[in-house]
Amino acid sequence: AQSVTQLGSHVSVSEGALVLLRCNYSSSVPPYLFWYVQYPNQGLQLLLKYTSAATLVKGINGFEAEFKKSETSFHLTKPSAHMSDAAEYFCAVSEGGGSYIPTFGRGTSLIVHP
Amino acid sequence: EAGVAQSPRYKIIEKRQSVAFWCNPISGHATLYWYQQILGQGPKLLIQFQNNGVVDDSQLPKDRFSAERLKGVDSTLKIQPAKLEDSAVYLCASSLGVGVTETQYFGPGTRLLVL
Repeated sequence: AQSVTQLGSHVSVSEGALVLLRCNYSSSVPPYLFWYVQYPNQGLQLLLKYTSAATLVKGINGFEAEFKKSETSFHLTKPSAHMSDAAEYFCAVSEGGGSYIPTFGRGTSLIVHP
Repeated sequence: EAGVAQSPRYKIIEKRQSVAFWCNPISGHATLYWYQQILGQGPKLLIQFQNNGVVDDSQLPKDRFSAERLKGVDSTLKIQPAKLEDSAVYLCASSLGVGVTETQYFGPGTRLLVL
């Protein structure tokens, strides 16, 4: 069975500081991994996805994530936080297959201080 | 390009009442998904359609939830009767095809409160 753990329900950073949002997964087969962002009262938007190609994945808005099989991790980073990055971030895992049923983490709220 | 449209945006009902949500996916998208997002949790997939056929509904509580996509475009999700624990945001998403690498585009969601 697949599962996702997001460490920290809230992460607070100063504008211009490094953003690090943690995600650990569990999967019985090589996983597909995703990061989504959700702004208030909006749906989810895909930031980036890992589909077994390069382990360092670059996404939109300057975010990137690195797949580390030995650590079963897929942490999301951004070198310099902007106020507009304040949102809820969700990590998700899928084991593939025809129907594609993703399992989402509980989410991490990113707070950016001026 | 128009995004995924959902209505209503908000709904308040009493328990044991019925409610329906509507979704219009991005034009040309064959695959449509309904998710339930309970406060403080990540979204949970309820049902996935490809065109007008069901691909997966293993996580849909079929005793009270139903969904249809009759013409392979719009979709409705119904709850009858509603329970307190159904209070959540119901998200609709669509993608061009089916498969784990397909990008899903989400609508703004319908926020349901059951009293």
